[in-house]
Amino acid sequence: AQSVTQLGSHVSVSEGALVLLRCNYSSSVPPYLFWYVQYPNQGLQLLLKYTSAATLVKGINGFEAEFKKSETSFHLTKPSAHMSDAAEYFCAVIDQGGKLIFGQGTELSVKP
Amino acid sequence: GAVVSQHPSWVICKSGTSVKIECRSLDFQATTMFWYRQFPKQSLMLMATSNEGSKATYEQGVEKDKFLINHASLTLSTLTVTSAHPEDSSFYICSGLGRSYNEQFFGPGTRLTVL
Repeated sequence: AQSVTQLGSHVSVSEGALVLLRCNYSSSVPPYLFWYVQYPNQGLQLLLKYTSAATLVKGINGFEAEFKKSETSFHLTKPSAHMSDAAEYFCAVIDQGGKLIFGQGTELSVKP
Repeated sequence: GAVVSQHPSWVICKSGTSVKIECRSLDFQATTMFWYRQFPKQSLMLMATSNEGSKATYEQGVEKDKFLINHASLTLSTLTVTSAHPEDSSFYICSGLGRSYNEQFFGPGTRLTVL
């Protein structure tokens, strides 16, 4: 079975600083990987996805993620944090039948 | 992009009553729909997978008689929480998966509070 681990349940950065949210996956086959953002009391919004094409994936709102097979990682980065980036972020991998397996989530706080 | 709606967005009910939540794919046909539950400060937990015209497949530990799922058309799935109790209070999110997509599209969620 596939799984996803997000390191750090809470990350705090200053406005303008680099954002790095970590995600490691476990998969026996080439995975489809996703990053979602969730604002309070809202559904999930797709930030970006990896589907076996380019290993560096660019998403919305200035986020990007790099798929590293050797490290089984798919970390999410943004060069400069904005206050509006404060939210919960979820890494996920597609399992059989199209099911999504989610990581535990990382809450990002941005300090002024 | 593909849009999924949920109704209602929030509901408050008394213990022992039943609540129905609708999930609609507005601009695509969702051959498969998923229902998730999310408790505060936690990740999404898959409750069940439903394919249009067939019975839902429930995840281990989810009571199928308590959480009734119907996927009668390619654009509508419903989740009915029967005889709701306070411990069923949660944020319920649905998603749809179309034939030609390799990603799920999520609804905005329904906040259920059982008094």
